[in-house]
Amino acid sequence: AQRVTQPEKLLSVFKGAPVELKCNYSYSGSPELFWYVQYSRQRLQLLLRHISRESIKGFTADLNKGETSFHLKKPFAQEEDSAMYYCALSGGAGRRALTFGSGTRLQVQP
Amino acid sequence: EPEVTQTPSHQVTQMGQEVILRCVPISNHLYFYWYRQILGQKVEFLVSFYNNEISEKSEIFDDQFSVERPDGSNFTLKIRSTKLEDSAMYFCASSERVVDRVQYFGAGTRLSVL
Repeated sequence: AQRVTQPEKLLSVFKGAPVELKCNYSYSGSPELFWYVQYSRQRLQLLLRHISRESIKGFTADLNKGETSFHLKKPFAQEEDSAMYYCALSGGAGRRALTFGSGTRLQVQP
Repeated sequence: EPEVTQTPSHQVTQMGQEVILRCVPISNHLYFYWYRQILGQKVEFLVSFYNNEISEKSEIFDDQFSVERPDGSNFTLKIRSTKLEDSAMYFCASSERVVDRVQYFGAGTRLSVL
């Protein structure tokens, strides 16, 4: 069975501090990993995906197959980064359902 | 920018009643999904729909649930006889192509079963 674990429910940092939101997964095949973000009173929206290997809003995430991790990082947090962040996995072989982690709330304090 | 639209934003119903949650996916998208999030819990997959049939479903999606695409734009989730434990936020999502797995989510419908 596939599973996504986000060990931190809440991460509080000061503006300008580095951020790392942890995500570990279990899946026997080759998954596709995503980070979704939900700002206050807004819908879930895609932040980034591992296959695009791009930086969005200063965030990056690298898929580490050895450690089965897909941690989200940003070198300098901004107040507008405060949101709920969800790591999600989509399995291969035609399976499109997303399996979500429980989410981490990021609070960036001034 | 096109968005997935869900109505109503909040639905209150009595236990045992039928409810229909409505979604309008992004117009050129081919895959449609329903997820739910019980308060304080994870977002959970319910069902995916492609080419007018269910392509995947989870264990949660039992006989009391059904989905339909009644016309070219709407995608509905019906719960036949609601239970207290069906109270949750229900999210609709859609994705564009066979290869692209990015799903775009609606704002959700909060279902409260009394």
